[in-house]
Amino acid sequence: DTGVSQDPRHKITKRGQNVTFRCDPISEHNRLYWYRQTLGQGPEFLTYFQNEAQLEKSRLLSDRFSAERPKGSFSTLEIQRTEQGDSAMYLCASSLWENEQYFGPGTRLTVT
Amino acid sequence: AQTVTQSQPEMSVQEAETVTLSCTYDTSESDYYLFWYKQPPSRQMILVIRQEAYKQQNATENRFSVNFQKAAKSFSLKISDSQLGDAAMYFCAYRSAWGGGSNYKLTFGKGTLLTVNP
Repeated sequence: DTGVSQDPRHKITKRGQNVTFRCDPISEHNRLYWYRQTLGQGPEFLTYFQNEAQLEKSRLLSDRFSAERPKGSFSTLEIQRTEQGDSAMYLCASSLWENEQYFGPGTRLTVT
Repeated sequence: AQTVTQSQPEMSVQEAETVTLSCTYDTSESDYYLFWYKQPPSRQMILVIRQEAYKQQNATENRFSVNFQKAAKSFSLKISDSQLGDAAMYFCAYRSAWGGGSNYKLTFGKGTLLTVNP
């Protein structure tokens, strides 16, 4: 297994466009997390799945954001009507229950 | 809510020397986990070391060790015999240990950028 993968690695979009990111966790991991990291800050929790169920959403996740994890496998994070403030690195992590979280390389979003 | 503070935005060390990165945290919980993560430039974050709050013994992983002071809510990372490959952003992170709370999410500090000089 090669670890957590994310696609794309970089995305440049114009304000107002929709974007979707994908995360493929380590195959046997039942928990999947999304974090957002802005310049000069540590990652901040966005949302969390246990299998296919989304169990927690941060208040950072406005109604323009939606995440899914169909069949408890890969996950997608969609941002609608992007704003310049959405520019950040979006990190995905996975774990087997409460064990160590393994992070992916992230998707860097730039909104122009 | 828990908070994690890293007061050193940047640190530098000479190759083969020892450096200590500081971290303090605030929590009302009695049981939790603390972590140090390393994020090299343009590479993914990896776990360096972890400490369970109920353990009095400080965790060590090869050249990496921590000084965990529970009463002072302090959790510093010591890197011995620093190597060029240690250059990275280092994040201190907290996670609750109990179900019913936020025992699944990590709360990170702002990070410390470590430079290793040859």
